[in-house]
This record gives sequence, C-alpha cells and structure tokens, in this order.
Amino acid sequence: KAGVTQTPRYLIKTRGQQVTLSCSPISGHRSVSWYQQTPGQGLQFLFEYFSETQRNKGNFPGRFSGRQFSNSRSEMNVSTLELGDSALYLCASSTDPPQETQYFGPGTRLLVL
Amino acid sequence: AQKITQTQPGMFVQEKEAVTLDCTYDTSDPSYGLFWYKQPSSGEMIFLIYQGSYDQQNATEGRYSLNFQKARKSANLVISASQLGDSAMYFCAMREGSTGNQFYFGTGTSLTVIP
Repeated sequence: KAGVTQTPRYLIKTRGQQVTLSCSPISGHRSVSWYQQTPGQGLQFLFEYFSETQRNKGNFPGRFSGRQFSNSRSEMNVSTLELGDSALYLCASSTDPPQETQYFGPGTRLLVL
Repeated sequence: AQKITQTQPGMFVQEKEAVTLDCTYDTSDPSYGLFWYKQPSSGEMIFLIYQGSYDQQNATEGRYSLNFQKARKSANLVISASQLGDSAMYFCAMREGSTGNQFYFGTGTSLTVIP
C-alpha cells in the first residue's frame, strides 16, 4: 500500500497570507489527524477528521481549520499567517479500532517570513 | 499534568549495544494504547511498536521491545543491537480510549549511536 502523502513538501509564505496543505491517507484509512511540530512546543495536536466529520480538536486558534473529503483526503488551512506558524505540519492516517495506529506522512515544512 | 513524560533529552549508545528509552504516562482511562515513533532528521515519523493497556505480554517488533509496567505507568522502549541508522529522535505517545483518536506525544529523546 502507498503511504500517507502530503503536498506540498515545502512552502514559503509571508505574514498575513493564507495557506492550504493537503494530505492523502493510506487507502482504507478513514481517520486523518494533523499535528504542528516546532522546536519550542514539540508535537501539538491540531484536529482529527473521521468520515468527513471533525472528531477531535486541539487548542489552536480559529485561523487553523480543516476538512475531509469523501475519499478521506484532508486539507488544512491557515489564514492570516503569523511568524509563529512556521513549523513542520504532519498528517497521519489511522487504522481502525481497537489499535488505531497512526501512520505519518513526510510533512510539510512551512516558513512564514 | 503531562500525559506523556520523557525525561531523557539525549542519549548515547555504542553501536551493537542495547539502549532503553524511558517513557511514563498519566491516565485514569482503563483503556489506552501506547506507541513509539522514530523521527530521523528527514522529519517523517515512523511507527515502531504498539502496546495496548490490556495486553498481558510486552510487545516486540524485531529489535524493538516495549517494557510495559502498568502499575508504574511506564512504557520504556528497548532497542537491542543498536545500529548507526538508529540515530534519531524517539517519541512516546498515548491514545486514551475515552478521547477517541487524539494522540498525546512526549517531548522526545534524541538518540545518537556511536560507531
């Protein structure tokens, strides 16, 4: 099976712009989660989608949003970018219960100037 | 309180030796899963091993084993016969049964394998 894919891999934006990141899960996985990773804050959970519905949400401002399509592909959007949004954004898709192991994509490195 | 605690920011191990990476967790949920991931400098998180809270035996996957001590709430990762390619960040994570599929990650341990 193909792994989790994320596009784009690298992105440079300026403050105030918005960005959309895409994630294609492993075939058959219905859950997609997003994480932000920074050197200072570590791995922080953004949100999780399951069958097109947001099932869990982390503690991030409303500028961070996401959605999931019927084919389980997911997108996350960050509006009005701030310098602090520079990070590695990781997407993970999960196997079904009970184990629900998350398998991660290669990530998108976002740099906000 | 932190859900996952990794107290070793950095570790060194000689090639071919075994190394133990520590992880303690905090939950009152009787159903939970514990995971270890490896993150090389490339950034991708690689799943290594899983332990369920109801599993009676410690999980093993090749050179990786998880030393699960439920009463002490610890889930240490043991890597046997270390290889140079094992140099990476290692993250311990937990999923609680009551919070769906939200994972809690520790701060990670940087492992360096010395030739």
